[in-house]
Formats: sequence, C-alpha cells, structure tokens
Amino acid sequence: DQQVKQNSPSLSVQEGRISILNCDYTNSMFDYFLWYKKYPAEGPTFLISISSIKDKNEDGRFTVFLNKSAKHLSLHIVPSQPGDSAVYFCAARWNRDDKIIFGKGTRLHILP
Amino acid sequence: DTAVSQTPKYLVTQMGNDKSIKCEQNLGHDTMYWYKQDSKKFLKIMFSYNNKELIINETVPNRFSPKSPDKAHLNLHINSLELGDSAVYFCASSSMTGSSTEAFFGQGTRLTVV
Repeated sequence: DQQVKQNSPSLSVQEGRISILNCDYTNSMFDYFLWYKKYPAEGPTFLISISSIKDKNEDGRFTVFLNKSAKHLSLHIVPSQPGDSAVYFCAARWNRDDKIIFGKGTRLHILP
Repeated sequence: DTAVSQTPKYLVTQMGNDKSIKCEQNLGHDTMYWYKQDSKKFLKIMFSYNNKELIINETVPNRFSPKSPDKAHLNLHINSLELGDSAVYFCASSSMTGSSTEAFFGQGTRLTVV
C-alpha cells in the first residue's frame, strides 16, 4: 500500500534546463511533504519541505509546488547542474504521528 | 562533525549470526528512527523512539530489537540473521518540537548476509 508514489523511476535532463520531479500521495491527512536527495553510498539529505497549508515553497534553485486537490507535488530544479544527478525521494508525514513515509525515488541524470 | 553517525558502514555476516548496528546523533534531537532500504530501493520505517521510548514499531520480525540507552543513541540488534535481512539500514533523527519537520539521516549500514 504505497501512500507516496513516484511513478518515474528515472529522468534525464540537459544541464541548464529545468528538472521537474513528480510525486503523488493518497493520504489527505499528511501535514508536511519533504524532498530528499541521495547520492550512492550516502544517506538521504534533506532538500526542501512544504506544509500542507501552502502551495509553494522556494529555496534557491529548488521550488516545491503542492496541489492538495490533486494530491500531487512536484520539485522544480532550475537551472539543473551536474551535481544534481542523484536519486530524489519524495516523503510525507503526519503531524500527530512522527513517521515519515517515502516514495520509491526518481533517479535524475543531468546530461552535459 | 557528523550529525548522525552509524557504525559499521559495511557488515558481512553468515546466516544465523547475531549482529548490532550502532547509531548516535549530536543534534540534540528527541526522536530517532531506523529505516530499511531493500533491494527494490524502498525506504521503509522500522522503528521510532522518542525520548528513549518506542513510539513506532512497524511490522518487523521480533528478531530485530532496537535499544535506546539515551536520547542520543539508538542501536539495532538483529538475532538469527537471514538472507532476506540483506539491505541498507539507515538511522535518522528529528525533533518533534520546534518548527523543523525534516529528519537527518546517517550514511547507512550495508548489511550482507551470506
């Protein structure tokens, strides 16, 4: 029972262009949504989050958009850089329950 | 200074053995977790401890026993290891108070059972 879904296992984007990573969720009780980035042989690193009461949060090159009615969020990276090549995990959590639930991840390749 | 550190980074052991993975965080967080990343790359929560008390225990075999001697440590002991236990285990920590919502992860322990 996947409550957080990332339907694209991989994505290739030209350097300098915009990368858009998508995520869908099924549980309307989630209060926070998070994006993590993971390099091989390292732990996931927190990137950016958004509260369920907002529809956009921006931090430098990273912007997360939340569409609650569609139960969909996306991470935009612009401009994409070679160091952005990694696996990106979408995650969500309840406020009342501390558990963070992860999607399966999307591997982003930034092409030169 | 590593915020969340876990040891060892790699662990190769035979079926039937008992092994432990240690985790320590120096962030002053009150909540610690163990996650398992299996061969399909799913990151699944196993346990969560808040102030040394178990608050989440997902459907995990009772061969897995977490132990939290204090708020800064959460160790994972695994008895009678099986081939299916091979995975990468991640420790993480977060604060249930305050404004931040994210968890910080260790670098992972790759467990291989042969």
